[in-house]
Amino acid sequence: NAGVTQTPKFRVLKTGQSMTLLCAQDMNHEYMYWYRQDPGMGLRLIHYSVGEGTTAKGEVPDGYNVSRLKKQNFLLGLESAAPSQTSVYFCASTPGGPVETQYFGPGTRLLVL
Amino acid sequence: GDSVTQMEGPVTLSEEAFLTINCTYTATGYPSLFWYVQYPGEGLQLLLKATKADDKGSNKGFEATYRKETTSFHLEKGSVQVSDSAVYFCALSKFTSGTYKYIFGTGTRLKVLA
Repeated sequence: NAGVTQTPKFRVLKTGQSMTLLCAQDMNHEYMYWYRQDPGMGLRLIHYSVGEGTTAKGEVPDGYNVSRLKKQNFLLGLESAAPSQTSVYFCASTPGGPVETQYFGPGTRLLVL
Repeated sequence: GDSVTQMEGPVTLSEEAFLTINCTYTATGYPSLFWYVQYPGEGLQLLLKATKADDKGSNKGFEATYRKETTSFHLEKGSVQVSDSAVYFCALSKFTSGTYKYIFGTGTRLKVLA
């Protein structure tokens, strides 16, 4: 079991460029989440999904889009990157709802110049 | 709104010292409470959790009790080791008005010296 994996590990973008972050889990979990982690601010929920084909907004969704076409994958897109999106992005999954343990990926470090 | 407040770090202790990391929360309803740990270069891992008032979560010598009267979930360990050096996050989760909420504290860095 690989658990939760994230691709890429590190990326540098110029302002206005687009990119997609991939999250994959092999635990057959229903729920998946995208967070960003910034110094002094902890983790903030960007978007989440409660099952294949569903997505919902979290605390800080602006500037991001997501898709969950397959149960095991959850994609996070930045259509036009901004320096304010420089952060470390973590994906997580849970078997079911919010009382369950979240399993986190190793993170993607994104730098937007 | 809902929030989680943790003590500022870093916390620096000698090996075998007693650890307390304070966490208080503000939330309506009945949230579940968690402690996660993050080692350098890695994602977060669940350390322990409690889903209702007076529950005690425990794991690897760490403990925390869900205190609704003081809205607290303080993390404790009787004797820390160098390998406990990491960043610790307190978090809450709840389902309200058809939406899931996960709220994390800002993290507390622990350094344990040999």
